[in-house]
Amino acid sequence: GAGVSQSPSNKVTEKGKDVELRCDPISGHTALYWYRQSLGQGLEFLIYFQGNSAPDKSGLPSDRFSAERTGGSVSTLTIQRTQQEDSAVYLCASSQNPGQPISLSTDTQYFGPGTRLTVL
Amino acid sequence: AQSVSQHNHHVILSEAASLELGCNYSYGGTVNLFWYVQYPGQHLQLLLKYFSGDPLVKGIKGFEAEFIKSKFSFNLRKPSVQWSDTAEYFCAVIFTFSGGYNKLIFGAGTRLAVHP
Repeated sequence: GAGVSQSPSNKVTEKGKDVELRCDPISGHTALYWYRQSLGQGLEFLIYFQGNSAPDKSGLPSDRFSAERTGGSVSTLTIQRTQQEDSAVYLCASSQNPGQPISLSTDTQYFGPGTRLTVL
Repeated sequence: AQSVSQHNHHVILSEAASLELGCNYSYGGTVNLFWYVQYPGQHLQLLLKYFSGDPLVKGIKGFEAEFIKSKFSFNLRKPSVQWSDTAEYFCAVIFTFSGGYNKLIFGAGTRLAVHP
C-alpha cells in the first residue's frame, strides 16, 4: 500500500476485555515496530519484527501484551484483560530494511495513523 | 540506563521567530539520531536524521540539527518559524552496543505552537 495503515482507528472497550489491533506495513518493508503513546508522554517502544520474528520483546509492558506477524506483512498486537492504564494511542511503523539478526534496523521508520484505545 | 531528554515540553513562538528545541541523550557510544514531527491530525514523519559525517544535518521544511558529540546533544533549529510549523516534535536515538544490538528510545516530545 501507499503507507502504513492501522485498524481500528478508535477502540473503546471495557476493563477486562481482550483487544486486537492491526497493522498493515508498507508493501515490501521487512521491519515492523509497535509503539505506545500515552497522554503527555513520549513514544514507548514495545516490540520489533524482522520478517515474522521478534528479536526483542523486552519492551512489552506485561505478559498481557503479545504480538505476532504473519507472512512478513500484517501484524496484530493483542492486549488481554485490558486495564485502564492500557489506554493510549498505539502506533505502528515499518522500515524497508531489517536490522542485524538480534536487533532493530537504523533505517527510517514510516508511521501509521495509530489506534486510540480507551479502556473504561 | 540510556535516556533521551527533551527539556522543553511546550514552546510558544510568534511567526518569524527563531526556534531551537533541545535534545540530549545519555550514552557515550555509537548513536544514530532522528527528529520526527507530528502535525495536528497527521502521522509521525521524519524531519531529519544523522548517522555519520557532517554533524550539521539539513532536513525538510528548512529545519536543521547539529550533532555535538561532546555535549551529547542533537538540537533542532529553524531560523524563522511559520504558523504551519505548529506540531509536536520528537527526538529519537538509536543506541548501538557491542555485538550489533540496537536500542531505540524516543524523547517525550515538544509541543510547538506558532502564533501568526
